[in-house]
Amino acid sequence: RKEVEQDPGPFNVPEGATVAFNCTYSNSASQSFFWYRQDCRKEPKLLMSVYSSGNEDGRFTAQLNRASQYISLLIRDSKLSDSATYLCVVTLPTEYGNKLVFGAGTILRVKS
Amino acid sequence: NAGVTQTPKFQVLKTGQSMTLQCAQDMNHEYMSWYRQDPGMGLRLIHYSVGAGITDQGEVPNGYNVSRSTTEDFPLRLLSAAPSQTSVYFCASSYLGSGPQHFGDGTRLSIL
Repeated sequence: RKEVEQDPGPFNVPEGATVAFNCTYSNSASQSFFWYRQDCRKEPKLLMSVYSSGNEDGRFTAQLNRASQYISLLIRDSKLSDSATYLCVVTLPTEYGNKLVFGAGTILRVKS
Repeated sequence: NAGVTQTPKFQVLKTGQSMTLQCAQDMNHEYMSWYRQDPGMGLRLIHYSVGAGITDQGEVPNGYNVSRSTTEDFPLRLLSAAPSQTSVYFCASSYLGSGPQHFGDGTRLSIL
């Protein structure tokens, strides 16, 4: 089983739609979680951290479910500019501390 | 603000050649890491370091060496380049292994 799994999509949605992505992780000892956004052939950029209580940043809402070991990202009122690949990131404990592991990403295409 | 600087941005090698991809950060981050990203795939962790003198293998370490003699620099060495190592390589850093990462612009490497 992969350490971090995401539905690759693509999710094709019209402008203004609400879309949600899930990401599952296998190690219950993981402590930190993030969503990144990656545009074609560019470096990934931090979208938001995911906190236990859930958090919101404008049109974006992230949730964490430790019991089921998944995190989610909800995008409301989708814009054309939201088209990108969304990467789920999870920390995994190691003997040296933590390392960060990325999911393979979910492709979102917002169409007019 | 330089952030994370990767050099070179592009490189073409012949099979069997060796080379070093450079990564430097000026944010005094302890955690640094190298990823490779192949078409249609997510970022796969090659090696990471939690501080000067401490490195560990990631998911795909074979064919690559790293060292971390200073906090600022984390070079990635290809010992004998193979066509399977054609990829985009990203270096990233964070204050701790549990924190959000800052990425360099990437190195696009082709091996013929």
